[in-house]
Amino acid sequence: GQQLNQSPQSMFIQEGEDVSMNCTSSSIFNTWLWYKQDPGEGPVLLIALYKAGELTSNGRLTAQFGITRKDSFLNISASIPSDVGIYFCAGQKGGTSYGKLTFGQGTILTVHP
Amino acid sequence: EADIYQTPRYLVIGTGKKITLECSQTMGHDKMYWYQQDPGMELHLIHYSYGVNSTEKGDLSSESTVSRIRTEHFPLTLESARPSHTSQYLCASRITGDTEAFFGQGTRLTVV
Repeated sequence: GQQLNQSPQSMFIQEGEDVSMNCTSSSIFNTWLWYKQDPGEGPVLLIALYKAGELTSNGRLTAQFGITRKDSFLNISASIPSDVGIYFCAGQKGGTSYGKLTFGQGTILTVHP
Repeated sequence: EADIYQTPRYLVIGTGKKITLECSQTMGHDKMYWYQQDPGMELHLIHYSYGVNSTEKGDLSSESTVSRIRTEHFPLTLESARPSHTSQYLCASRITGDTEAFFGQGTRLTVV
């Protein structure tokens, strides 16, 4: 089946540092999404990307949709303790995919105060 | 805030029991999904529905079954639970034409 390769698997950083994570795929997606999941909760959408090359920001978060439509990255600037959680990339194909999402393996982020 | 609810949040049950995980949304979304997630791992789609009386298998094979008799309700059933079914089950919904899928808080199932 389709796979999204997300890296790194985990990150341990100091508060105030910037964070970067990325996702690659062997197949093309029409939409890239980045979710955050807190312990014991469902994922919450952070950023959605719809066009190849698109760069979108949401507060301290910035994400880009790769030109080839096979990759995306997420940056978090000036991290704070509440950024702790698991970050997932997800790809969505168009047409008759019915909005099904393919998820990456997740990046576990730990922020030390 | 998303209006999608899953019950129970936690369930510990013995092998061989029949269980139903409930998922309800009050947003009028036509599409609903069930994902399975092992701790710290990615989400895998096991079932989806694009409307009432429509259900399809997802990318990950599952022994569970689903039904969609009402728009707002998408329960998942395991006829005979086994330890290999131990996992977290997440329900999601979205409206056609909108990208964002809203997730419930999940049901953490443990089969002993």
